[in-house]
Amino acid sequence: NAGVTQTPKFQVLKTGQSMTLQCAQDMNHEYMSWYRQDPGMGLRLIHYSVGAGITDQGEVPNGYNVSRSTTEDFPLRLLSAAPSQTSVYFCASSPPGTGVYGYTFGSGTRLTVV
Amino acid sequence: GENVEQHPSTLSVQEGDSAVIKCTYSDSASNYFPWYKQELGKRPQLIIDIRSNVGEKKDQRIAVTLNKTAKHFSLHITETQPEDSAVYFCAASITGGYNKLIFGAGTRLAVHP
Repeated sequence: NAGVTQTPKFQVLKTGQSMTLQCAQDMNHEYMSWYRQDPGMGLRLIHYSVGAGITDQGEVPNGYNVSRSTTEDFPLRLLSAAPSQTSVYFCASSPPGTGVYGYTFGSGTRLTVV
Repeated sequence: GENVEQHPSTLSVQEGDSAVIKCTYSDSASNYFPWYKQELGKRPQLIIDIRSNVGEKKDQRIAVTLNKTAKHFSLHITETQPEDSAVYFCAASITGGYNKLIFGAGTRLAVHP
């Protein structure tokens, strides 16, 4: 198993550009989520999914879209990047039936919007 | 919604001393409280967790206590070592149904030799 894989590891965007942060897991995890991490603010939940076809908003969903067409993938889309979205983004997932109990994080994507 | 406050934001101790980090939560329905350790440039990793049906849990030098009445929980690290230096995050969740894990702002722990 490759675990939770995030790509890219680093990205620089210009204001107004769009991009997709990829998150994939090969462990048949049903629960996946996206967090952003900013200095002094901990990890804030953006969106989460409890299974294919089901997504919901977290604490800071504005400016981000998600979809969950397969169990394995949970991409995060920035439609029009803003400097305020400069952050480190972490994807997390957990095995079936464990909910947040078995949470593991990907290695993160460091995004800079200029 | 749930809100988690964490204190202190920074903590400096001498090697061998104990370290205590405290968190409070707002939603009395929360029933799962994990702690994550994040080393510089790395991903957060689960180090210990506690569920609301117990008041204390230990794992070697690490322990977590929970006071549901006061809605606070704490991480205790004894006999600290330099490799304990990291950022520690507490979190809270209401399990069952659509689970959300809400994090505190983090505590930067420095253990000095």
